Amino acid sequence: EPEVTQTPSHQVTQMGQEVILRCVPISNHLYFYWYRQILGQKVEFLVSFYNNEISEKSEIFDDQFSVERPDGSNFTLKIRSTKLEDSAMYFCASSSDRYNQPQHFGDGTRLSIL
Amino acid sequence: QQQVKQSPQSLIVQKGGISIINCAYENTAFDYFPWYQQFPGKGPALLIAIRPDVSEKKEGRFTISFNKSAKQFSLHIMDSQPGDSATYFCAAAIQGAQKLVFGQGTRLTINP
Repeated sequence: EPEVTQTPSHQVTQMGQEVILRCVPISNHLYFYWYRQILGQKVEFLVSFYNNEISEKSEIFDDQFSVERPDGSNFTLKIRSTKLEDSAMYFCASSSDRYNQPQHFGDGTRLSIL
Repeated sequence: QQQVKQSPQSLIVQKGGISIINCAYENTAFDYFPWYQQFPGKGPALLIAIRPDVSEKKEGRFTISFNKSAKQFSLHIMDSQPGDSATYFCAAAIQGAQKLVFGQGTRLTINP
């Protein structure tokens, strides 16, 4: 079964450093998403991306965050200057259809900010 | 208004029993309600989903019951098995929007 793959599985970064989280969505999917899950809390939406542009973003997704689809297979989340509170699991998801869902999630990248 | 409230936070059920997890929402624009299952170290995996034009959907041992007037929906797991032990999240989305709004999650433990 096709799956969303994320790398790395764990990223440790010093506060203030830039970090890029990478995702390979399912190949025929057109809609891409990032979510985050702070330890012990619920999964929260960050951003959705379609046709090479952001289609929706949450209040969490401020100027420190950016997303990009640099080629036909990768989808990346960049955090420009990391803060301690950015420590969380970051999940990438993709879907083939905007209306009929479902969104398929990767296994996440655990981001630890020191 | 964008919140989805989920209960209980944790649930322990004996093998063979019925597990019931409940969710409630306020925003009547929500029209898609999935349930996700998450094992430790893994991402959420879609279990079953429902739209408000039906009151119940069943897939194997998993059933969603939906009460539109009460703005509540629930997941029932029949004949619960130890392999069902996981965290379950309900979620909701508005048609045309793309974000899923998740509940707080329920940690389910099935005792053998």
